[in-house]
Amino acid sequence: GENVEQHPSTLSVQEGDSAVIKCTYSDSASNYFPWYKQELGKRPQLIIDIRSNVGEKKDQRIAVTLNKTAKHFSLHITETQPEDSAVYFCAASIGSATNKLIFGTGTLLAVQP
Amino acid sequence: DADVTQTPRNRITKTGKRIMLECSQTKGHDRMYWYRQDPGLGLRLIYYSFDVKDINKGEISDGYSVSRQAQAKFSLSLESAIPNQTALYFCATSDTRQGGETQYFGPGTRLLVL
Repeated sequence: GENVEQHPSTLSVQEGDSAVIKCTYSDSASNYFPWYKQELGKRPQLIIDIRSNVGEKKDQRIAVTLNKTAKHFSLHITETQPEDSAVYFCAASIGSATNKLIFGTGTLLAVQP
Repeated sequence: DADVTQTPRNRITKTGKRIMLECSQTKGHDRMYWYRQDPGLGLRLIYYSFDVKDINKGEISDGYSVSRQAQAKFSLSLESAIPNQTALYFCATSDTRQGGETQYFGPGTRLLVL
């Protein structure tokens, strides 16, 4: 079945450094790749997404890159701040149905002040 | 997002009991989903509904059932709860009619099965 692998499971960085989280997916028909952020005790919220017809997308300090050939995509956070500390989930659509998602297992990002 | 609500927020039950978790939304979205979250396993899709009367199984539907009573309501039932159903359950919505793909999550229901 479809699968999304996410690494690392935990990531600790110093404030101001960059953080990179990587995901690989198995379904070559996947065409939508969102990233969700879940702060402690809160609900997941979308922070950025990318479609398969785009290789990179940026929104201020966050960016996502997609390599369709290798079937992997990454989240990049620059100039990290303590409020970036959270669990981040990647997801991939099941086939071309963009509203059905398979989630990765999450990355706990800790930004040390 | 206060537009997606879940009740109860916390629930403790015993093995073998039937329980229902409820989700309501005021966003007017057509699609609704139920996920469970377990440490180290991320979010896994249990059931989803594209409209009233439309029900589809997700990755892990065994032991669960759902009902889409109205566009705004989607309930999840555990017919006979077992301890490995202890988890954090999230409802989510999305609106495909507006071309949107973002899923909006409720606050979650923390369930403990003893």
